[in-house]
Amino acid sequence: EVQLVESGGGLVQPGGSLRLSCAASGFTFSSYEMNWVRQAPGKGLEWVSYISSSGSTIYYADSVKGRFTISRDNAKNSLYLQMNSLRAEDTAVYYCARTCSGGSCYSTRGFDYWGQGTLVTVSS
Amino acid sequence: DIQMTQSPSSLSASVGDRVTITCRASQSISSYLNWYQQKPGKAPKLLIYAASSLQSGVPSRFSGSGSGTDFTLTISSLQPEDFATYYCQQSYSTPRFGPGTKVDIK
Repeated sequence: EVQLVESGGGLVQPGGSLRLSCAASGFTFSSYEMNWVRQAPGKGLEWVSYISSSGSTIYYADSVKGRFTISRDNAKNSLYLQMNSLRAEDTAVYYCARTCSGGSCYSTRGFDYWGQGTLVTVSS
Repeated sequence: DIQMTQSPSSLSASVGDRVTITCRASQSISSYLNWYQQKPGKAPKLLIYAASSLQSGVPSRFSGSGSGTDFTLTISSLQPEDFATYYCQQSYSTPRFGPGTKVDIK
């Protein structure tokens, strides 16, 4: 069974840092592209960052570029998001999400499995 | 940036109703369009990918159509477990979600 379990969320002051982790199991993690998607309280979904299966290709949303860093450790089946210079508007539930593999689901980069999310609150 | 809109933003419907949600992109995205369902306090679930392909395990009452800029998600006969918020997402460029459509009980 595919499982994605996020951790590392919590309360942090503006300007602070936090590192989120996503532990993957039930599939060959090193073969899949991964993403972080966030959802502010009561709001819609916002894609945050993407990393290729090898880690060689990375993209960020403009809203986090220069402040957040995505990475992965395929030996540990883990995905990470280092968040620096946090702002109140970064307050959200952060989900890790797997990109589909194979066929048109992959070509349209559907997110076929999601974790349960971890809440990040940026407040003084 | 490609902007996504959805209509309506919310709707009230009864069990058994046929429900249609529309998603529009600000420029052509071919068929690079996915649909998700999200229930309160839960992670989103992929329903439809590539505009019209049903994700494995998703009931056949869900269907998607469209290409270019205009897309539709249809629930042929609304079931109690379908009351949720639905999001479209384009992946033609940097992934972007629509604002969502909340489907609640009439």
